[in-house]
Amino acid sequence: DAKTTQPPSMDCAEGRAANLPCNHSTISGNEYVYWYRQIHSQGPQYIIHGLKNNETNEMASLIITEDRKSSTLILPHATLRDTAVYYCIVRVVGIYNQGGKLIFGQGTELSVKP
Amino acid sequence: NAGVTQTPKFQVLKTGQSMTLQCAQDMNHEYMSWYRQDPGMGLRLIHYSVGAGITDQGEVPNGYNVSRSTTEDFPLRLLSAAPSQTSVYFCASSLKSNTGELFFGEGSRLTVL
Repeated sequence: DAKTTQPPSMDCAEGRAANLPCNHSTISGNEYVYWYRQIHSQGPQYIIHGLKNNETNEMASLIITEDRKSSTLILPHATLRDTAVYYCIVRVVGIYNQGGKLIFGQGTELSVKP
Repeated sequence: NAGVTQTPKFQVLKTGQSMTLQCAQDMNHEYMSWYRQDPGMGLRLIHYSVGAGITDQGEVPNGYNVSRSTTEDFPLRLLSAAPSQTSVYFCASSLKSNTGELFFGEGSRLTVL
């Protein structure tokens, strides 16, 4: 399974863009990049995912490099409520009865400050 | 839709006791999984299922059993609880096993004395 590497913590000023990097240099061609966040002790919340093209939704944008070895999650206008641990995950896609494992790493603790 | 429902939310056990953490989803999701989260750590996958009757081990399966007799339910059984199993447990599901986002439950906090 491909592993991901994220910085353990980051700060961001409220109202500014938060850019969270993730390295997944061993990703294979059929693996998607997923981002989740976890606020306090709540269950993680899905944010966005992508395969090779950049993606955008109402929460965030996902930029994946052309070689797919790294990606960046962008929160365009961070608010205090975006303070959370952000997880970058590569999802294994296998045959029907072996696929689907989502392995979480340590994540990045983002602190949005006033 | 209620989403992913976990019960109980809190439980205290003595070493050696057994119990089952319940997880149910009403979204007709194919994929279900259990994670544990210890203080200051990320989530670790215990077991997962890609459909009724099919289960497989995750990263930390020892001490836990699962079954998937229906699409809706995926219980996690601790046969003989140990203090090392003190943790917060999250159940998650997704529509398909290889695409789509995971929906998480609110968590079950287990303390083993």
